[in-house]
Amino acid sequence: QKEVEQNSGPLSVPEGAIASLNCTYSDRGSQSFWYRQYSGKSPELIMSIYSNGDKEDGRFTAQLNKASQYVSLLIRDSQPSDSATYLCAVNSGSSASKIIFGSGTRLSIRP
Amino acid sequence: DAGVIQSPRHEVTEMGQEVTLRCKPISGHNSLFWYRQTMMRGLELLIYFNNNVPIDDSGMPEDRFSAKMPNASFSTLKIQPSEPRDSAVYFCASSPAGGVTEAFFGQGTRLTVV
Repeated sequence: QKEVEQNSGPLSVPEGAIASLNCTYSDRGSQSFWYRQYSGKSPELIMSIYSNGDKEDGRFTAQLNKASQYVSLLIRDSQPSDSATYLCAVNSGSSASKIIFGSGTRLSIRP
Repeated sequence: DAGVIQSPRHEVTEMGQEVTLRCKPISGHNSLFWYRQTMMRGLELLIYFNNNVPIDDSGMPEDRFSAKMPNASFSTLKIQPSEPRDSAVYFCASSPAGGVTEAFFGQGTRLTVV
C-alpha cells in the first residue's frame, strides 16, 4: 500500500462550483499539507493542517480526520486558474520529519 | 529571500555520464529534501537531511545515486553512471523545522538522459 493515496483524476468541475479533493494515508502522520502544482512548475503550498477538524483560508477549506487517516481539500467558487494538479502530503517517519507526497489529482475547471 | 535555488534548470546528458545536481536551501532552514517526479511514479522522496546529516535515504533507487550536504547552504545529488530511466524532474526542497512544517520547493532540474 502506498503511504499517501489520491485519486489521479482528472476531476472536471464547472466554474463557480465546489471542487472536492480527497486523500488517505497509511502512516499516522501528525501534519498534512496540500500543494498545488501547475504544469511545468514546482509544487507550492496551499494549506497546512495539523489538528482534527476544518481549516479555512479564503476559498480553500482543508478537513483532517486523524483517526480515519483522511484529509480533504474543498475549493469553493472554482476558477479556471484553479486548474492544476493538487498534491496531498503528510509528514512521516519516527520523528515525523520526512514529507511524503501522493501522486496528485488533476483538477480541470471548465468555463 | 531568494527561495530554494537549484542548478542547472535543464540537463541533457548521454547514458553513462555522471550528472551532478545542485541545491541551495533557504537560509535558516535546517532540513533539505531531494525528490524525483515522473508521470509514472509521481513525486518520490529520495533522501532528506536534518542539520546537514542524512536521515533517511531509503528512497534512493540504487547505488548509482548519492547525495551530500557538506554545509547548511549547499547540497548535491549525483548520478553515476546515468541511465535513460533516470530522466525526470528532480526537486530540492527545504523546511525550517524538519517535516513538522511545510517544505518549500526549488524550481527543479529537468534531467534527460539519452
